[in-house]
Amino acid sequence: QKEVEQDPGPLSVPEGAIVSLNCTYSNSAFQYFMWYRQYSRKGPELLMYTYSSGNKEDGRFTAQVDKSSKYISLFIRDSQPSDSATYLCAMNTGFQKLVFGTGTRLLVSP
Amino acid sequence: GAVVSQHPSRVICKSGTSVKIECRSLDFQATTMFWYRQFPKKSLMLMATSNEGSKATYEQGVEKDKFLINHASLTLSTLTVTSAHPEDSSFYICSARLETGVMNEQYFGPGTRLTVT
Repeated sequence: QKEVEQDPGPLSVPEGAIVSLNCTYSNSAFQYFMWYRQYSRKGPELLMYTYSSGNKEDGRFTAQVDKSSKYISLFIRDSQPSDSATYLCAMNTGFQKLVFGTGTRLLVSP
Repeated sequence: GAVVSQHPSRVICKSGTSVKIECRSLDFQATTMFWYRQFPKKSLMLMATSNEGSKATYEQGVEKDKFLINHASLTLSTLTVTSAHPEDSSFYICSARLETGVMNEQYFGPGTRLTVT
C-alpha cells in the first residue's frame, strides 16, 4: 500500500463548477499537509498548507484535513479554465521529506 | 512568496558528457534543498536531500557518484549528472525549504528538462 493515494484522473468539469480533489494516507504521524498545482512542464507551485485537522480557506480554494479518517481534500470554487493543471497533495511529519501523491489532472472546459 | 530559480531550463547534451544544474533560492536562505526527478505524467521522485555545508543524503537506488550534489551556500545547490546516458533524460526539479518554525514549506523551481542524445 502506498503511503499516499491520489486518483490520477483526469477530472473534467465545466467552467464554474466546484471541484473536489482528494488524497488518503496511511501514516497517522503525518501532521503537515500541502497542495501543489503543477502546470505542464513547470515546477509545482505551493497553493495551500495546513497543520493538523480542520479547514483553511484562501480565495476560491479550501483545504480540508480529517485526520481521524486520514483524508484530505482541496475544493476549488467557481473553477476557471486557468485552473486546468495537475494537483499534487503532499505531507510529512515535520522537517522530514515530503511524501507526494501521484497527482490528479484537472481539466476545466470553457 | 518565496522564489526558487533553476538554470538552465532545458539542456541537450551528448552521451558521456556531464551536465550541471543550478538551483537558487532568490529571496530566502535555505539550509535544505531537495532534488527530484519527474517522468512524464508521473509524480515527483525524490533523489536526494541537499544540506548546506554537508554531504547530501541520497534516496535508495540513486547513484551518488552519478548525481553529484553540492550545496555550497545558503542560496545555491547544484546537481551534476556525470557521464550522462539517454536513460538520464528527464525533468529535474529542485525545491528549497523555508523554515518558519511552525511549518516548513517547500518551494519548487521551474524545472530543468535534460535530453541526452
